[in-house]
Amino acid sequence: EAQVTQNPRYLITVTGKKLTVTCSQNMNHEYMSWYRQDPGLGLRQIYYSMNVEVTDKGDVPEGYKVSRKEKRNFPLILESPSPNQTSLYFCASTPGLAGFSGANVLTFGAGSRLTVL
Amino acid sequence: GQQLNQSPQSMFIQEGEDVSMNCTSSSIFNTWLWYKQEPGEGPVLLIALYKAGELTSNGRLTAQFGITRKDSFLNISASIPSDVGIYFCAGQPSRTDKLIFGTGTRLQVFP
Repeated sequence: EAQVTQNPRYLITVTGKKLTVTCSQNMNHEYMSWYRQDPGLGLRQIYYSMNVEVTDKGDVPEGYKVSRKEKRNFPLILESPSPNQTSLYFCASTPGLAGFSGANVLTFGAGSRLTVL
Repeated sequence: GQQLNQSPQSMFIQEGEDVSMNCTSSSIFNTWLWYKQEPGEGPVLLIALYKAGELTSNGRLTAQFGITRKDSFLNISASIPSDVGIYFCAGQPSRTDKLIFGTGTRLQVFP
């Protein structure tokens, strides 16, 4: 089944304890992205990657890191989590953003709910 | 960062009623997408629009790409309880490699 898989789905941690949220897709998509969802703010992009070893900042990158060493994986790293990073996180992928039909339709993972105490 | 203006923020309707929501932008978009998010899940694509003026249906859902390329609407006809969720619009501004999301419309349907 074509899907985006995130882990963990739920995590409670403490301020300053490094954590990684993994994301993997099995669709051979070039483009992958991380979003955070907060009440009243919708989905805000954290980082995205156009292809292997190509990453760029989204709208809210502060406090996050990413890497894209393989096409299928795009982990989100919080080096020193803080309470304002408590949120629902989504990973998503698409073949690309070339603008032609079907190319920029994002497929989302089921989400990772993170609480930082 | 840029965000789309999506309205209304929430809707409480009775089963059988029709629903309408829309998104507007200050810039021209190449693509409009409409997603639905159910509790505990990620957003799932409902309808994708790629041409100005395009009108597309998916069952009881109909969406249109505004002729000015700066807006889009989604209609749901004869709502049912399983329509409950958060509906997001998303758009790709012209000459960019980004998708921008609206803030969502939370829909509640009462039997």
